[in-house]
Amino acid sequence: DAGVIQSPRHEVTEMGQEVTLRCKPISGHNSLFWYRQTMMRGLELLIYFNNNVPIDDSGMPEDRFSAKMPNASFSTLKIQPSEPRDSAVYFCASTLGRTGELFFGEGSRLTVL
Amino acid sequence: DAKTTQPPSMDCAEGRAANLPCNHSTISGNEYVYWYRQIHSQGPQYIIHGLKNNETNEMASLIITEDRKSSTLILPHATLRDTAVYYCIVRVVVQGAQKLVFGQGTRLTINP
Repeated sequence: DAGVIQSPRHEVTEMGQEVTLRCKPISGHNSLFWYRQTMMRGLELLIYFNNNVPIDDSGMPEDRFSAKMPNASFSTLKIQPSEPRDSAVYFCASTLGRTGELFFGEGSRLTVL
Repeated sequence: DAKTTQPPSMDCAEGRAANLPCNHSTISGNEYVYWYRQIHSQGPQYIIHGLKNNETNEMASLIITEDRKSSTLILPHATLRDTAVYYCIVRVVVQGAQKLVFGQGTRLTINP
């Protein structure tokens, strides 16, 4: 299996621009998680989906952030407009059922200038 | 959500056993303890999990106290490649889906 695939791996953008991060979970997995990691705050859970339905988005920092999962094989995390404080590594992870064994992608490193 | 407390950093000599403690005194009876590690800037990697019995796999052993208020992850023969940040997590199930919240973890350094 190819594992969790995230794109882009690196993105540099200017403040105010829209950013879209993409994630393809492992085939057959039914739960998907978006995390953000910074030096100051560590790994933060932003939102997670179960069977394509958002379960808990309480970790989404503000209305500028939105996430969708239109089908079982694709999810997006969008930031509009982006700000410098959004600079971080964004990880996507997936799992099947309640095993708790999350498989993480390699992350998308976002830099907002 | 049950919170965990871990020492911020630890050192261990190569070849020795690395014992990483975790306190989760507010854990509920049906909540599992999970351990992950993150090597440099890679995504976290699952290591092991348990409920109340001790567990062992090819990577590590997990010892959970009888009252379940704390646990210890043991890497029996640490190598330089085990240098990483280790996270202890209490898994919560919400609306049939699980939620794993990472804390600050323990930065383990294996010294030659």
